[in-house]
Amino acid sequence: EVQLVESGGGVVQPGRSLRLSCAASGFNFDDYAMHWVRQAPGKGLEWVSGISWSSAIIGYADSVKGRFTISRDNAKNALYLQMNSLRAEDMALYYCAKDHAQQLEGFDYWGQGTLVTVSS
Amino acid sequence: SYELTQPPSVSVSPGQTARITCSGDALPKKYAYWYQKKSGQAPVLVIYEDSKRPSGIPERFSGSSSGTMATLTISGAQVEDEADYYCYSTDNSGNHRVFGGGTKLTVL
Repeated sequence: EVQLVESGGGVVQPGRSLRLSCAASGFNFDDYAMHWVRQAPGKGLEWVSGISWSSAIIGYADSVKGRFTISRDNAKNALYLQMNSLRAEDMALYYCAKDHAQQLEGFDYWGQGTLVTVSS
Repeated sequence: SYELTQPPSVSVSPGQTARITCSGDALPKKYAYWYQKKSGQAPVLVIYEDSKRPSGIPERFSGSSSGTMATLTISGAQVEDEADYYCYSTDNSGNHRVFGGGTKLTVL
């Protein structure tokens, strides 16, 4: 059974940093691309970032480019999102999502999410 | 940037067919994916690569794509299908990956 468990969310002041983690199990982690997707309160889904199986291909939404960094550790079956210079508009539930392919295609499994609150 | 456009809401009676559209300039060349999102739950993939249905998804869910429009069809919608539905795709360059704004499906 595919399991994705996010952690690292919390309350942070504007301008500060936070690192999210996603622990994956139930599939061959290094065979698939992975993504972060977020949903702000009362808003729709927003793709944040994705990373291919080998980390050779990485993409970011324009809204986070230059501030967020995605990475993965295939030896640890883990996905990360380093979030710097956080803004009020970054406040959201952040989901870790597994791609159905090695490159960046579309997501087939999602975690339950970790909540990031940006507030002074 | 790239945009996918969905109707904000669709309403049908139980047993009727619900159709949710998603329009985008790159859809003739790029696949559409469809996700069901219920309040307090993680999204669920219901259609991938325009028309493929994952295992475990009821047969009443189907997808199609023609030109710049992809369509999710729920044949014989059930009350439990009430949810927000999102399409997802990318622009022709692959640099902009986006969701549509979401469609709230009401079945009553």
